[in-house]
Amino acid sequence: QKEVEQDPGPLSVPEGAIVSLNCTYSNSAFQYFMWYRQYSRKGPELLMYTYSSGNKEDGRFTAQVDKSSKYISLFIRDSQPSDSATYLCAMTTFTGGFKTIFGAGTRLFVKA
Amino acid sequence: DAMVIQNPRYQVTQFGKPVTLSCSQTLNHNVMYWYQQKSSQAPKLLFHYYDKDFNNEADTPDNFQSRRPNTSFCFLDIRSPGLGDAAMYLCATSRPGLAETKNIQYFGAGTRLSVL
Repeated sequence: QKEVEQDPGPLSVPEGAIVSLNCTYSNSAFQYFMWYRQYSRKGPELLMYTYSSGNKEDGRFTAQVDKSSKYISLFIRDSQPSDSATYLCAMTTFTGGFKTIFGAGTRLFVKA
Repeated sequence: DAMVIQNPRYQVTQFGKPVTLSCSQTLNHNVMYWYQQKSSQAPKLLFHYYDKDFNNEADTPDNFQSRRPNTSFCFLDIRSPGLGDAAMYLCATSRPGLAETKNIQYFGAGTRLSVL
């Protein structure tokens, strides 16, 4: 079992839709949770960053962490064609040494 | 703008011919990472430098080496590339300071390596 699981998609939605992207994880020691966006043939860029459980909002993006369920989500409101990319979740623990694990990414297509 | 720059963006090499990929950063971050990413897969950490301290992942093949001559530059050397080494290679950096921000990694655009 992978430490971080993420549905690879692809997920195709119409412009303006609300998008929900999710990751589950198995290591309860993860404390910091991140979402990266990766356009085709480019490096990942940081979108959202949260510590422990709760919600964090930044413009059209909301990151949600539920540590009791070991489940994190990224919501995109009013999705745009420019949001079409692969979204990678990542999480970090400092327990037993510093470690960051990435999900394999969900590919999102937003149709105009 | 401060950033992480990788060169070249695309590299073609022959089977068994050594190749070097480079990464430079203007962020003055003390941690630098090299990842290998294959299509539709998560980035796989090869190694990282914490300042001058080199940290190799246990499953990184000996074929992969790294050098960090100074804070700004880091190199990935593949001594004898095989067909299975064709991938995107990503360099990342992270900022020093509080534990909360130490794990945020900033990535370069990547180098796509092809092995013929």
